[in-house]
This record gives sequence, C-alpha cells and structure tokens, in this order.
Amino acid sequence: NAGVMQNPRHLVRRRGQEARLRCSPMKGHSHVYWYRQLPEEGLKFMVYLQKENIIDESGMPKERFSAEFPKEGPSILRIQQVVRGDSAAYFCASSPNLAGGISSYNEQFFGPGTRLTVL
Amino acid sequence: SQQGEEDPQALSIQEGENATMNCSYKTSINNLQWYRQNSGRGLVHLILIRSNEREKHSGRLRVTLDTSKKSSSLLITASRAADTASYFCATSGATSGTYKYIFGTGTRLKVLA
Repeated sequence: NAGVMQNPRHLVRRRGQEARLRCSPMKGHSHVYWYRQLPEEGLKFMVYLQKENIIDESGMPKERFSAEFPKEGPSILRIQQVVRGDSAAYFCASSPNLAGGISSYNEQFFGPGTRLTVL
Repeated sequence: SQQGEEDPQALSIQEGENATMNCSYKTSINNLQWYRQNSGRGLVHLILIRSNEREKHSGRLRVTLDTSKKSSSLLITASRAADTASYFCATSGATSGTYKYIFGTGTRLKVLA
C-alpha cells in the first residue's frame, strides 16, 4: 500500500509563473490536507478537501492560491503569479474515510512534500 | 502566539544519552502527535497520545501528556546518531477542528557520535 505521493518533489519557478503541486492520497483515503512549511518553522494548515469539496480553506492566502480535489485524479494546489515569499515546502496529508466522518483521533499520513523555490 | 511551542529550540547531546523535548499548547485538544523530520525530508509519524491518556511508549520513545498544564514531553532514550532530526508536536482539538493540526516550531536535535 503506497503512501501519500506528491510530485514534483522539487519545483523551481520564476516570479510571476504558476506553480502546480500534486498530491495522491493513500488508497482508501478520501480526506486531503495541505500544509506549508517555511524555512526553520513548523507546518501551517492551509486547506482541507474531500472529493469535489473544499471543507476548510481558512489557512489559504486570499489571493493567488487555490486547491481542488476532483472526483478522479490527484489533489492539486495551484499558486498563480508566484512571489519569492511563496518559497517553502508544501506537504499534503490524507486520512481514511471513516463511517460518519473523521474520528476524533484523526491520524493524518503525510507525503514527502514538494519544495518550491521561486527565483 | 503559536499553539504548539517546543523547547528547547535546539538540543545537542552525545550518543547514548537521553533527549527530552517539551511541547506546550494553549487550547483544549483531542490528541497530540509527535513527528520527526530529517533535514529536507518529509514527516515521520512517531506517536499519538489522546487527551485521556497520560503516557505512551513506543520502543525508545516515551511521551507524556499533562492536560492540566497543557504540555507534553517526548523522551528518546539511548539516543543514536540516526536520531538527529527536527521533532515537532502537533495538536488537534475542539477549537481548531479535529482535522486541523497545529504544529509547533520544532526542536532540532543533534546526536553526536
């Protein structure tokens, strides 16, 4: 059973370009979460998605950032018109689809991350 | 300020010694988890402790939770050079939603051979 997969692992973009990060959750998981880690800091929650639904995007910057989790295919985190401050590691996590929703002891399984560098 | 705060920020010990890291948080939680992150790599889940638990063990790891003090500690016994990494606590709880993990800033552990 493969773990959470993210690609690319490293992404370099110039200012103003678009960055597209992909996350494939673990098999049987229908909840996906995106976190951002700035250098020397902990991870910060960005967004929580289920298939075709954004449940909580309270951690997403209001502009330039968007996320989706389509019915088929991976979850995508999209950053438009990147700036140097977007340089960070972006981690995706997934959790299983439990009857009745997420349990109180929700365990999230993290992918290896995508390291975005904006030149 | 940050929900999860670890201390110390950095810790350097000799191989074979024990390493203790602490995490404090501010609001009620459902569970607390510890993760390890090697430099430039992803997160490795170490241990989850629930709010109604006080202590858990896993191999050389011992985690305690004191909800009255809103703090947790991670003890690594008989440390090895391979334990060199950053260690993060992450909480999820009633005020943030059970799915929204709040991470601390981490303790950078260096184990010298």
